[in-house]
Amino acid sequence: KAGVTQTPRYLIKTRGQQVTLSCSPISGHRSVSWYQQTPGQGLQFLFEYFSETQRNKGNFPGRFSGRQFSNSRSEMNVSTLELGDSALYLCASSGRPGSTNEKLFFGSGTQLSVL
Amino acid sequence: AQSVTQPDIHITVSEGASLELRCNYSYGATPYLFWYVQSPGQGLQLLLKYFSGDTLVQGIKGFEAEFKRSQSSFNLRKPSVHWSDAAEYFCAVGAGYNQGGKLIFGQGTELSVKP
Repeated sequence: KAGVTQTPRYLIKTRGQQVTLSCSPISGHRSVSWYQQTPGQGLQFLFEYFSETQRNKGNFPGRFSGRQFSNSRSEMNVSTLELGDSALYLCASSGRPGSTNEKLFFGSGTQLSVL
Repeated sequence: AQSVTQPDIHITVSEGASLELRCNYSYGATPYLFWYVQSPGQGLQLLLKYFSGDTLVQGIKGFEAEFKRSQSSFNLRKPSVHWSDAAEYFCAVGAGYNQGGKLIFGQGTELSVKP
């Protein structure tokens, strides 16, 4: 079974631009979560989607948005990039939300550098 | 609000020595607790999780963790460390039932292994 796939692996943008990151979950998984990882703030939850609906949202500005498609693939978008948005963005998928056996499977991430 | 504290930013142990990584959490109810490991440039891999029941949890790669409610701790242990265990380790608490994709992570403990 293929794991969680994130594309692209690396991305370089300049301030003010926007960026779209993609995540393909494990086959059969319908929940996708996004995390931002930085040396200073660590791992922070961005949002979670299940069946094309946002289920949870972290404390990030509105410049960070996401969506999920009918095939469970997810994208996140960051508009008007700032230097502080430089980070590793991790996507995780899981099966049945609310199950006590639920666990997250993480992709390798997209390393975003904002210049 | 939920929080996780990993008091040790960096730990060095000799290969073959035992290991204990500390984790303290703050959560109002019975927590869902996790330990993840991250190798450089990679995503996170789940080592073990605690939802309920036996307070000593066995995981992959020979790791175990013990949930101690009285101390609000969930320390990770391994009896004999291998060089391949060098990585960053993250403790996390689930944000609540049916919030499966939303985890609160500690700041991480970087483990170095001396030959």
